[in-house]
Amino acid sequence: AQSVTQPDIHITVSEGASLELRCNYSYGATPYLFWYVQSPGQGLQLLLKYFSGDTLVQGIKGFEAEFKRSQSSFNLRKPSVHWSDAAEYFCAVGTGGGADGLTFGKGTHLIIQP
Amino acid sequence: SAVISQKPSRDICQRGTSLTIQCQVDSQVTMMFWYRQQPGQSLTLIATANQGSEATYESGFVIDKFPISRPNLTFSTLTVSNLSPEDSSIYLCSVSLTGIPDEQYFGPGTRLTVT
Repeated sequence: AQSVTQPDIHITVSEGASLELRCNYSYGATPYLFWYVQSPGQGLQLLLKYFSGDTLVQGIKGFEAEFKRSQSSFNLRKPSVHWSDAAEYFCAVGTGGGADGLTFGKGTHLIIQP
Repeated sequence: SAVISQKPSRDICQRGTSLTIQCQVDSQVTMMFWYRQQPGQSLTLIATANQGSEATYESGFVIDKFPISRPNLTFSTLTVSNLSPEDSSIYLCSVSLTGIPDEQYFGPGTRLTVT
């Protein structure tokens, strides 16, 4: 069975600073990887996804993520954070079957300091 | 993408009663999913609902407690039965678009509080 680990429960970053959120996955085959963001009182919004091909993927809101098979990682990055980026971030893995649900990590709570 | 709505957005229910949550999508989709997000926790898949067949439940979730209907390609309901305080959670539906494996779009969620 697949699993996802987000080792950082909370991260605090100053506005304008760079951001990296860590995600490690466990899955025997090629994973389908996702990052979602959940703002307070909101549903989940898809930031970006990786299926195959270029290991650096671009998403919405200026986010990017890099897939590293050798490290089983899919870290999320942003060069300069804005106060509106404060939210809960979830990494998720799928099996690619289309009929299965996603397995989510426990999430990382991002706090932005002024 | 898809636009997904859920009703109700929140509810407070008494122990022993049931709540039915509706999920409506603005386009026809094959796969719909129901997740639970307990307070301060991540999302856990409850079941997968494919139109025209019985829902498939994950380990730890049973049909008697979480009956699901999927009458057509744009609509599904999840009922949480015999409520207890442990059922207090956010319940989210999601859809997977045809031809895009595993890429799921989520509704805004239903916040359930059981007293």
